[in-house]
Amino acid sequence: NAGVMQNPRHLVRRRGQEARLRCSPMKGHSHVYWYRQLPEEGLKFMVYLQKENIIDESGMPKERFSAEFPKEGPSILRIQQVVRGDSAAYFCASLSDREGYGYTFGSGTRLTVV
Amino acid sequence: AQSVAQPEDQVNVAEGNPLTVKCTYSVSGNPYLFWYVQYPNRGLQFLLKYITGDNLVKGSYGFEAEFNKSQTSFHLKKPSALVSDSALYFCAVRAVPPGGYQKVTFGTGTKLQVIP
Repeated sequence: NAGVMQNPRHLVRRRGQEARLRCSPMKGHSHVYWYRQLPEEGLKFMVYLQKENIIDESGMPKERFSAEFPKEGPSILRIQQVVRGDSAAYFCASLSDREGYGYTFGSGTRLTVV
Repeated sequence: AQSVAQPEDQVNVAEGNPLTVKCTYSVSGNPYLFWYVQYPNRGLQFLLKYITGDNLVKGSYGFEAEFNKSQTSFHLKKPSALVSDSALYFCAVRAVPPGGYQKVTFGTGTKLQVIP
């Protein structure tokens, strides 16, 4: 079991470009969560998806940010027209349907906007 | 709404001494509680969880945590700190039952510095 795979590990974008962050959950996990970690801050919840459905996007900015988790393929977090304030580490976590288990995290994508 | 408080931004402890990283939580109903550790430029690694049963739970790398319902706390402990324990520690909570919606809320993290 390869765990939660995120790519790329590092992503550099110029202001105004688009950033696409990918997350492949653990085998058998149908719940995917995205968190953002800013320097010197904790993890902030962004969005929770369960195969093809967005369950909770209350932590995601209304503009420029979107997420999907298609039936086939990885979950994608998309940031359009990036700004310097989007620079952060973005972590994906997946969760089993089995009760009582915590998240398994990916290694994160570190986005730098220049 | 559920929340987690980690009152200390940083904890310093000498190698070989016991360590405690504090966590208190707020949740409606019974909680699931977790501790995660993050090493520099890495993702979060699961350390331990409390689901039900014994209030003292043991986890990876010799860590343990004690669930105290009356104080709504879940402090992380280790009898003898190692320099390699230096990292960022996150406490997390989610409500039980999940009802199909299983968002986990994290604290802001506590940086543990073990001094040789």
